[in-house]
Amino acid sequence: AQSVTQLGSHVSVSEGALVLLRCNYSSSVPPYLFWYVQYPNQGLQLLLKYTSAATLVKGINGFEAEFKKSETSFHLTKPSAHMSDAAEYFCAVSDGGGYQKVTFGTGTKLQVIP
Amino acid sequence: GAGVSQSPSNKVTEKGKDVELRCDPISGHTALYWYRQSLGQGLEFLIYFQGNSAPDKSGLPSDRFSAERTGGSVSTLTIQRTQQEDSAVYLCASSPRPSGATDTQYFGPGTRLTVL
Repeated sequence: AQSVTQLGSHVSVSEGALVLLRCNYSSSVPPYLFWYVQYPNQGLQLLLKYTSAATLVKGINGFEAEFKKSETSFHLTKPSAHMSDAAEYFCAVSDGGGYQKVTFGTGTKLQVIP
Repeated sequence: GAGVSQSPSNKVTEKGKDVELRCDPISGHTALYWYRQSLGQGLEFLIYFQGNSAPDKSGLPSDRFSAERTGGSVSTLTIQRTQQEDSAVYLCASSPRPSGATDTQYFGPGTRLTVL
């Protein structure tokens, strides 16, 4: 069975500071990994995804994530936080399994302090 | 083009009543998912439809929950005899292709269900 653990349900950073949101996964087969973002009062949208190509994945809005098999991690980073980055971020994993059953983490709310 | 739409956006009901939640996926998308998002929880998978195949209902929490997808398009999630623990945001997502775990899921805005 696949699972995802997001460390920290709430993260606060100052505007301009590094954003680091942690995600560790468990999967019995090589995983596909995703980060989704949910802005206030909006639906989820894809930030980036890892599909067994390059281990460093770049997404929208300056975010990137690195797949580290040895650490079973897929942490999300952004060098400099912007006020507009305040949102809830969800890490997700899929094992392929013939179709796209995706398991989501519990989410991390990012607060950006001016 | 139009995204995934869901209706109603908010639903308040009394314990014991039945509710129906609707999802209109993006036109041409063959896969459709329902999730439940409870306060402090992640997205809980409920059910998955793929084309004309039998749906994967493994995430439905009880037999009070059911869903159908008519004509491979619109889907309805029905909760019978609602309970207070059913209160949550119900999210629908669709994706374009029938296979491949790398496909992006496109989410609707959700229906916030409150059971009094």
